[in-house]
Amino acid sequence: QSALTQPRSVSGSPGQSVTMSCSGTSSDVGGYNHVSWYQQNPGKAPKLMIYDVTKRPSGVPDRFSGSKSGNTASLTISGLQAEDEADYFCCSYVSSFTVVFGGGTKLTVL
Amino acid sequence: QLQLQESGPGLVKPSETLSLTCTVSGGSFSSSTYYWAWIRQPPGKGLEWIGSLYYSGRGSTYYNASLKSRVTISVDTSKSQLSLGLTSVTAADTAVYYCGRLIKASDAVDYWGQGTLVTVSS
Repeated sequence: QSALTQPRSVSGSPGQSVTMSCSGTSSDVGGYNHVSWYQQNPGKAPKLMIYDVTKRPSGVPDRFSGSKSGNTASLTISGLQAEDEADYFCCSYVSSFTVVFGGGTKLTVL
Repeated sequence: QLQLQESGPGLVKPSETLSLTCTVSGGSFSSSTYYWAWIRQPPGKGLEWIGSLYYSGRGSTYYNASLKSRVTISVDTSKSQLSLGLTSVTAADTAVYYCGRLIKASDAVDYWGQGTLVTVSS
C-alpha cells in the first residue's frame, strides 16, 4: 500500500485556524472511517489526537477537530497556539490489522 | 497505566538481522480489544507501519508487503514481550523503531513506546 499524501508544511499565526489534508484512495481513507491523526514533537513519540475521523481522546483540546470528504481527511486546529507547532501524521485502516501512514506535515506557528 | 519499552542493539551491520523487543507493563497481550504493531521512522521522514500482531490465544501476524520477506513479529506472553526481527538489513533500515498498541475498533495507536534508534552501518 502507498503512503497517504500530506502537504510537507503548513503555517499560521497564533489565534488563527489551520487545516491540513491527508489524501488517500477509496481503498483506505475513502473506504473507511478509521482515520487517525498524531502529533509528534521533536525527539518524542507520536501522540494520538484524533481517531475515527472526528473523535478526540480524553485530554485533547477541542481546538483539534477532524473531518473527511471522499478520499481526503483533514485536521483543523483552531485558536492556534505556539505549543501546537509540531509534525502531524495521519493514518488509515487498509485491511484487517493493517494500516498506512502519511508522510507528515510540519506545522509552523508564525 | 500501560507502558511500552523498546530495547535492542542500537547498531547493526549491513546484511545482518535487526532484533528488537518491546516490553509491555500495565496491560495484557490477550485482550481482544487491542492489537500490537511495530512502526518505524527514518531520520527526518514519515512513519512506516512494519507489521501487526493480534493475540487471540495465538498470535496472528500481518506484515507490510514491502517488508514481508524480511520481517517476523512474535509475542512471548510469559514475558509480556513483543519482538521484531528484520533480516538482511541495509542503510535504508536505519530508523527509530516504535512499538504501539492499536485499538481494534478504531485502528488507532493509543499507546506508543518511546522509540529506539537503530543505525545500520559497518
